[in-house]
Amino acid sequence: GAGVSQSPSNKVTEKGKDVELRCDPISGHTALYWYRQSLGQGLEFLIYFQGNSAPDKSGLPSDRFSAERTGGSVSTLTIQRTQQEDSAVYLCASSSLDGVNRARGYTFGSGTRLTVV
Amino acid sequence: GESVGLHLPTLSVQEGDNSIINCAYSNSASDYFIWYKQESGKGPQFIIDIRSNMDKRQGQRVTVLLNKTVKHLSLQIAATQPGDSAVYFCAEKKYSGGGADGLTFGKGTHLIIQP
Repeated sequence: GAGVSQSPSNKVTEKGKDVELRCDPISGHTALYWYRQSLGQGLEFLIYFQGNSAPDKSGLPSDRFSAERTGGSVSTLTIQRTQQEDSAVYLCASSSLDGVNRARGYTFGSGTRLTVV
Repeated sequence: GESVGLHLPTLSVQEGDNSIINCAYSNSASDYFIWYKQESGKGPQFIIDIRSNMDKRQGQRVTVLLNKTVKHLSLQIAATQPGDSAVYFCAEKKYSGGGADGLTFGKGTHLIIQP
């Protein structure tokens, strides 16, 4: 597609339920990132996929969070047993550039706004 | 811990005036900085970047200034337009070292353009 697509755009869930957030990166982009944006806060890094390498999960806040990227394309972020503090906008970004230019080439999706009630 | 932050959460300027958005960073090892613009309901969009071996870089109506002595970064927008209304984030990145290939973002400044 023309850009990074995220679905759903909005998700309201009950505390304790599991949710899955989807990211379709730009075709051919090898790098994919998940960030979390809480109200009035900056972007918090969650996880990074690069090609076929093992993902960098160092930003995941707890073991309730997990992500996978199938076939080097679509990625799913799963939050188990959601808590109210998980409420935030979850942003996905992809990039085709390498090395020092990778961040310059970030293309972000519009995000999924998750509300846990 | 080390972090990137912004001095003002909200900045209001008159249309046509110049605006300056400031950012302070504390990680002296950071060697690459980026400004992003985030409009309501959208993801951040790259505006301009600068490497630590430079102190100024200009784009179209935007200029980024880097003062490594005081660990300060600023974004200047000339002749602001209504379309400039958005939240602006600075971000820092380290080239060297292992770990996450991610950016550290500041909290953002909301720029409001008054007609």
